[in-house]
Amino acid sequence: DVKVTQSSRYLVKRTGEKVFLECVQDMDHENMFWYRQDPGLGLRLIYFSYDVKMKEKGDIPEGYSVSREKKERFSLILESASTNQTSMYLCASSFFDQRGTQYFGPGTRLLVL
Amino acid sequence: QKEVEQDPGPLSVPEGAIVSLNCTYSNSAFQYFMWYRQYSRKGPELLMYTYSSGNKEDGRFTAQVDKSSKYISLFIRDSQPSDSATYLCAMNNNAGKSTFGDGTTLTVKP
Repeated sequence: DVKVTQSSRYLVKRTGEKVFLECVQDMDHENMFWYRQDPGLGLRLIYFSYDVKMKEKGDIPEGYSVSREKKERFSLILESASTNQTSMYLCASSFFDQRGTQYFGPGTRLLVL
Repeated sequence: QKEVEQDPGPLSVPEGAIVSLNCTYSNSAFQYFMWYRQYSRKGPELLMYTYSSGNKEDGRFTAQVDKSSKYISLFIRDSQPSDSATYLCAMNNNAGKSTFGDGTTLTVKP
């Protein structure tokens, strides 16, 4: 069965803290994605990676960085958390083909105080 | 203007109704079309995937693509309370990066 897991379901952090969100997939997918989802704004792509150590900026990369040291693992880093980064963060993965059907993790609800 | 526009909803229907969810798009390079279903506080899950213009049926769900009009639809027959969720359309041109609609929230009342 297809599986994308995220390290936390809920997180509460303080402004200025460094935050790590981890995502692991067990499907041998080449592509991995990080999105944030906010009411009224839909899914917005933060970063994606199509191979180990490769990354590309999405639509809203500011304030975020990513790391992909192993094929199955993709980490999102908030260098200095701010209140406007309070959101639902979703990780997804897919094969590197044109169809690009994505499999999502359960999401992490992050609250920055 | 967004590349993908989705009927915003919300949509509330009685159990057993036929539901129509719709998206339009502007990028003629999109070739692959998906519908995802997202239950509250969960990640989206792939519901339907289509490639060409026409209809694809899976149980009570039918995905329809009209490339000439740049319009896609998802029909749900005999809707059930368990269909209550947010439905996201998504489209690809290549390399697996999708463009998503903002979602339509559906409530099916018993």
